[in-house]
Amino acid sequence: DIVMTQSPDSLAVSLGERATINCKSSQSVLYSSNNKNYLAWYQQKPGQPPKLLIYWASTRESGVPDRFSGSGSGTDFTLTISSLQAEDVAVYYCQQYYSTPPFTFGPGTKVDIK
Amino acid sequence: EVQLVESGGVVVQPGGSLRLSCAASGFTFDDYAMHWVRQAPGKGLEWVSLISWDGGSTYYADSVKGRFTISRDNSKNSLYLQMNSLRAEDTALYYCAKVARGYSSSWPFDYWGQGTLVTVSS
Repeated sequence: DIVMTQSPDSLAVSLGERATINCKSSQSVLYSSNNKNYLAWYQQKPGQPPKLLIYWASTRESGVPDRFSGSGSGTDFTLTISSLQAEDVAVYYCQQYYSTPPFTFGPGTKVDIK
Repeated sequence: EVQLVESGGVVVQPGGSLRLSCAASGFTFDDYAMHWVRQAPGKGLEWVSLISWDGGSTYYADSVKGRFTISRDNSKNSLYLQMNSLRAEDTALYYCAKVARGYSSSWPFDYWGQGTLVTVSS
């Protein structure tokens, strides 16, 4: 099974500053036949279900603000919030959906305001 | 508007059984694979199970294999999770989630329900 790790566990960023979250998979999630990385990012606010932000490692879901961006390929990925807003306080999870299940999630990164 | 509404979560004793349901609306249910994902109190997300759009393929996390059974009734736009031999570590909020594209399982989850809480305790 593919194991997902995230760093840091938590971070505190000033309003308007950049937040960067890293995600690593134990094996590549890049499918060579279509050159797509089967990697998604979700945001979960307290008391709410997760919300899909990014898929194919860098494609923003419809309606997601462009301050959220994803990058990376193979086994190393990054979610960047370019200018942190108060409403971005949440836990962020990466997930791989490569090939057959299990579709494992990372342990999550908590983002707070400094 | 896509809606997923889970139900069936209760307090159950260790070793007991429970069936969760997820009522879907706002999309063509039988075009989409569906998942169950759980979240223990204060913990992260754990993928539990997947069923293909037609019900022909099912997959399970090792932690629930042999104890849980996922199924669907496309005529009722409903997803189910039969949970047997429940353990304390199965205590969690259980979400159903829809994949983002039809006729495929290799897509992320674009809609989630609010979850139903299962508590396994004596």
